[in-house]
Amino acid sequence: DTAVSQTPKYLVTQMGNDKSIKCEQNLGHDTMYWYKQDSKKFLKIMFSYNNKELIINETVPNRFSPKSPDKAHLNLHINSLELGDSAVYFCASSLEGASGYTFGSGTRLTVV
Amino acid sequence: KNEVEQSPQNLTAQEGEFITINCSYSVGISALHWLQQHPGGGIVSLFMLSSGKKKHGRLIATINIQEKHSSLHITASHPRDSAVYICAVKGSGSRLTFGEGTQLTVNP
Repeated sequence: DTAVSQTPKYLVTQMGNDKSIKCEQNLGHDTMYWYKQDSKKFLKIMFSYNNKELIINETVPNRFSPKSPDKAHLNLHINSLELGDSAVYFCASSLEGASGYTFGSGTRLTVV
Repeated sequence: KNEVEQSPQNLTAQEGEFITINCSYSVGISALHWLQQHPGGGIVSLFMLSSGKKKHGRLIATINIQEKHSSLHITASHPRDSAVYICAVKGSGSRLTFGEGTQLTVNP
């Protein structure tokens, strides 16, 4: 009964492929996020959804498209993968007005 | 210049030592978070602060809103405390802005 679960945990793929990472939370949180952690371990926001609506869309290539079918799920689809997309992607969730964020365990994407 | 600056970037300590990690930020915030990331990669939220001080076991976090500064202290450090500690601030929206992290290594 993991609170925020991401799949897959590891993803190795070739340049040019299209891949998706899934995220689900069972905490009843209303906001979900995708963060990217680069090779220097620096975390940066990519997207945020509140109740299925996009509220944050940072300067991310449009090859990255988030989709939130309901407020418990936020998936990340990446088209035409590039070497520079290799990173660890973290999903997280929070509840408006409440304390704390809960992070998923991360998806290590390696593009070869 | 990053909106959230942490120091030191790397810290090595002997078991039992008192450890302090500092975080300074340059923007208005509604809350500050301290996160821990273990070598396996998972991120755990340790504290959320908007004022004062919080304590959980051997961990203590303080914040000075006027000075835009927070510290994370670890008392009686242990090798299992070895991890990356990340300071993150929450502005008026819901997003977090992160510091670059402090790599802590505690040797037995």
